[in-house]
Amino acid sequence: KNEVEQSPQNLTAQEGEFITINCSYSVGISALHWLQQHPGGGIVSLFMLSSGKKKHGRLIATINIQEKHSSLHITASHPRDSAVYICAVRRRDRGSTLGRLYFGRGTQLTVWP
Amino acid sequence: GAGVSQSPRYKVTKRGQDVALRCDPISGHVSLYWYRQALGQGPEFLTYFNYEAQQDKSGLPNDRFSAERPEGSISTLTIQRTEQRDSAMYRCASSLGLGRADTQYFGPGTRLTVL
Repeated sequence: KNEVEQSPQNLTAQEGEFITINCSYSVGISALHWLQQHPGGGIVSLFMLSSGKKKHGRLIATINIQEKHSSLHITASHPRDSAVYICAVRRRDRGSTLGRLYFGRGTQLTVWP
Repeated sequence: GAGVSQSPRYKVTKRGQDVALRCDPISGHVSLYWYRQALGQGPEFLTYFNYEAQQDKSGLPNDRFSAERPEGSISTLTIQRTEQRDSAMYRCASSLGLGRADTQYFGPGTRLTVL
């Protein structure tokens, strides 16, 4: 079983719709990342969270540490938001907060005009 | 440089050949990570370095895979006796190494195809 599970795997929306992508994880973490992978393949870090909520433009990321769950929301979606969104966690192992990320499989979002 | 760079961007090789993939991290970044990404999947951890020290190589699939970062900057991932199942996108990322506040910056990747 993967330490990080994302849903849905694929998501199609009409321009302007509110989008939610979910991420659940099964291990203790020191941080959770949301990444965006462009159609050309490049990966960009959107958010890094260890608690609460962060907002950047039309993107909002929340995390509930007790429930081991995070959500990425996109308000007023636009075709340029079409990409793969990936959730990744850094485990808290033996007190270490550095090191490898564990990735979800990604959510392919397509926004139609 | 402005970002993480990787070379070559595309590599096609025949089964059994050795390949070396290069990563040039952001200047001053302490940590460097190697990942592999199969089509339709999320990235999979291979190994990472702090400075020149290899901290974790538990993700390397077998002993045909090795990585080095001899001077704590550029890193090379080497795959010996390549097999078709090694075909994937190989990504490098670097970070300042700030612990919990550590954002990783990803390179464009090297697309490896083993025929």
